[in-house]
Order: sequence, then C-alpha cells, then structure tokens
Amino acid sequence: LAKTTQPISMDSYEGQEVNITCSHNNIATNDYITWYQQFPSQGPRFIIQGYKTKVTNEVASLFIPADRKSSTLSLPRVSLSDTAVYYCLVGSYASGGSYIPTFGRGTSLIVHP
Amino acid sequence: DSGVTQTPKHLITATGQRVTLRCSPRSGDLSVYWYQQSLDQGLQFLIQYYNGEERAKGNILERFSAQQFPDLHSELNLSSLELGDSALYFCASSATIQETQYFGPGTRLLVL
Repeated sequence: LAKTTQPISMDSYEGQEVNITCSHNNIATNDYITWYQQFPSQGPRFIIQGYKTKVTNEVASLFIPADRKSSTLSLPRVSLSDTAVYYCLVGSYASGGSYIPTFGRGTSLIVHP
Repeated sequence: DSGVTQTPKHLITATGQRVTLRCSPRSGDLSVYWYQQSLDQGLQFLIQYYNGEERAKGNILERFSAQQFPDLHSELNLSSLELGDSALYFCASSATIQETQYFGPGTRLLVL
C-alpha cells in the first residue's frame, strides 16, 4: 500500500510563498494526488488535485515530478487565514484489488503576522 | 459547504455502548468513505461503499460495521465502545471510486 510522508509543521509569514512537499511511494499508476486543508474540528476541504506536471487553480499550485513519487503544494502569498493543517491523499491497490486511500500525517502550517 | 451531511455533530456515551453515525453523500455521488481522526493517528481510512456494496476495508475494527442504503446514505455502527474510540469520524463522498472525495463536517464521539 502507499506510504506518505509530510513535514509535521512549517512556519511562514504573511505574504510569503509556502511550499509543502509530500513523499508517496506505491501510488496507483492511474491515481490522482489530492491535497486538503483542515481547520480545527472541521472536515478536510479540497484544495487541488493533479496527476502529473503542474496544476494551478485560484488558491494553489501543485507540482508533480515525472516519477510521481512526490508532490509539492504551493500556496502563494499566504495570509493568517491559511493557518491550518494540510494533507496529501493518494491511493493504491490492496492485494485483493480494492482501492485504498491513504492520507499523509498532515503538515501544520502557522502563518505569522 | 461540501454538500455532505453528517449527524449527529456530537455524541457522548459510555464504555460498552453502541452508537450509529449517519452520513448523506452529495447529490449524485455513489461512493461513501468513512475515516477516523484521533489526535495521534491522523486520518485513518475505515471502509468504503459504492452504490450499496462494500468495496474496500482499511483499519476498521471488528466491533465497527457500516452499510450503505438504497438511497445512498450510509451508517457507521460502533459497538462495545472503548475509551480509545473517542475521535472525530468523517464521512466523504465521491462520484465514483477514485474520484475527488468531499468531506462532511464530522461527528465528534466522546466515550466516557
């Protein structure tokens, strides 16, 4: 099954760009890589999803190298409201063929004034 | 608002008891996932249903069970509860298997 590794925490300041990397091996060859944001006592909120190369939406960019063994979430010009925990999600196939989603342990981002 | 609803929002019960958590997926989504989130374990995948059938099992205890009904809502049953079962339980739904998952607000379970 897939294993994921993320930094436990990161600190930044308002207006800076933040990059959070997730390492993931054994990812299913046809699976997407998804990133979520979570505030305390709330459900994870979808940020961005990609398969390879670069994806950009109105809130973030996602960079995925050709080997797909890692991905980097980029948050441009963070603000205090971006203080949250960020998770990567990948999937893999168990021996019986079932699809198993696996979350990283999460990266706690604190944005300082 | 993700469109996924979960009830109840909070649940307090005693050890040895049984509880049922309910999830209604987004309109049109056929797949439902259940996750457990405790302080020291992160988001742990429990089980997935697709169009009424169980499709994948993760780290789900034998004391836990789930089902998805014909109207596609799902219930997670937790029995013989222990103190360590205290956690946030999230439901997520997706259109099909491996599509983007959208999460509900969660049910916070406290076992005393």
